[in-house]
Amino acid sequence: DAGVIQSPRHEVTEMGQEVTLRCKPISGHNSLFWYRQTMMRGLELLIYFNNNVPIDDSGMPEDRFSAKMPNASFSTLKIQPSEPRDSAVYFCASTRGRTTYEQYFGPGTRLTVT
Amino acid sequence: GNSVTQMEGPVTLSEEAFLTINCTYTATGYPSLFWYVQYPGEGLQLLLKATKADDKGSNKGFEATYRKETTSFHLEKGSVQVSDSAVYFCALSPFNDYKLSFGAGTTVTVRA
Repeated sequence: DAGVIQSPRHEVTEMGQEVTLRCKPISGHNSLFWYRQTMMRGLELLIYFNNNVPIDDSGMPEDRFSAKMPNASFSTLKIQPSEPRDSAVYFCASTRGRTTYEQYFGPGTRLTVT
Repeated sequence: GNSVTQMEGPVTLSEEAFLTINCTYTATGYPSLFWYVQYPGEGLQLLLKATKADDKGSNKGFEATYRKETTSFHLEKGSVQVSDSAVYFCALSPFNDYKLSFGAGTTVTVRA
């Protein structure tokens, strides 16, 4: 079975530009998570969807960040406008069920904002 | 709140050496505990888990025991290989909750 798919794997953009990160969860999984990983702050949960509905977005840094899940097989994380401090690796993870244990992570998107 | 504290790295070992990575946690109730591993350029993978006190999780020669009395979940492997070089994350999930709280990660390098 295919794992969690993320695209692009690497993104380099200039400050002020819009960035869209994409995620395809594992088929049959109904929970999806977006994380951000930086050296300074480690792994942070940004937002959690269950059955395509955002349940917890308390980790979204600010209004420049938005996430959508239009259907069970696709989610996007958008940053507009991007800033250098947004540079990080962004992971998408999915799992079955609302409360569960094993989250399956994608390979991540390394974002660099210059 | 819930938090995880794990041993700072980096840790450098020779092949066949014994590995221990310390992890302690703070949580209310009875959380589940996990070790995730991140190989270079990849996402995190679940290595092992324990869902109640005194449970021992094990996988690929690694093991960890859920110690409620010391609020610890230390990771051990008796004989490491070069292929074990990775970043290891301790994590907890409160009972009946979706959120994972991760430790800072410990980078392990195993030399041949």
